[in-house]
Amino acid sequence: EPEVTQTPSHQVTQMGQEVILRCVPISNHLYFYWYRQILGQKVEFLVSFYNNEISEKSEIFDDQFSVERPDGSNFTLKIRSTKLEDSAMYFCASSDRGDQPQHFGDGTRLSIL
Amino acid sequence: GESVGLHLPTLSVQEGDNSIINCAYSNSASDYFIWYKQESGKGPQFIIDIRSNMDKRQGQRVTVLLNKTVKHLSLQIAATQPGDSAVYFCAENPSRSQGNLIFGKGTKLSVKP
Repeated sequence: EPEVTQTPSHQVTQMGQEVILRCVPISNHLYFYWYRQILGQKVEFLVSFYNNEISEKSEIFDDQFSVERPDGSNFTLKIRSTKLEDSAMYFCASSDRGDQPQHFGDGTRLSIL
Repeated sequence: GESVGLHLPTLSVQEGDNSIINCAYSNSASDYFIWYKQESGKGPQFIIDIRSNMDKRQGQRVTVLLNKTVKHLSLQIAATQPGDSAVYFCAENPSRSQGNLIFGKGTKLSVKP
C-alpha cells in the first residue's frame, strides 16, 4: 500500500539554525499538508499546498516557515531560524482531493536545543 | 488556551467488548469528518470517514455515527482487540476545497487482554 514517507525521523538542531524537513507524498496525490503535534497535545494544521502554491495556512505558519515542492516527488518544510517552541513532531500528509482522506507519514521529531 | 501536557481522556475496555469513542466538533459548517488512530511513535492512521449528508457509515469492525444537530461524532469498534490500543482522534474539515483538518483532543483506548 502506498505511503507517505518522512525524513529524518529525528532532527536535533541548535536554536537559531535552519532546518528542512522532507516528505515524499503518495505519488498520485495532488494536495499536500504539514501539521505539527507538540508533545501530549493535539495535531495542529500548519499549511496546505496545491498546484505549486500555498492554498491555506494557519497563524502558526509565520514568516519563519516556508514550503516547497522542489521536484515531482518531494515536499519540504523549512524553518528559517528555529526557536525552542518549534520542538514538536511534524507530520506531512497528502490526499488526491481536498475532500478526501489525508494520509499521514510517521513524522519527524524536531528537538531544538 | 490549553495547558502543556494535556491529559487525554482514557477508555479502558476488556478484549472482545465493544468500544465507543465520542467527539464533539466545533464548526457547524464542517461537512467532512475523519477518525484517525495514532499509535505511539507513529503518524495518524486513517480509519473511517463520513460526510455530512450521512448519519452512519460502517467499515470493517468500525462504525461512525454523526449527529449534526448536536455536533457530535462517535466511533464504535466491535470486538475490541489489543491491537486497537492507541489514541483516537476525530478531525473535521471546515473547508472542503482546502482540506485543512481540525483535530480533536483525542481519546486513549486501552484494551485489557
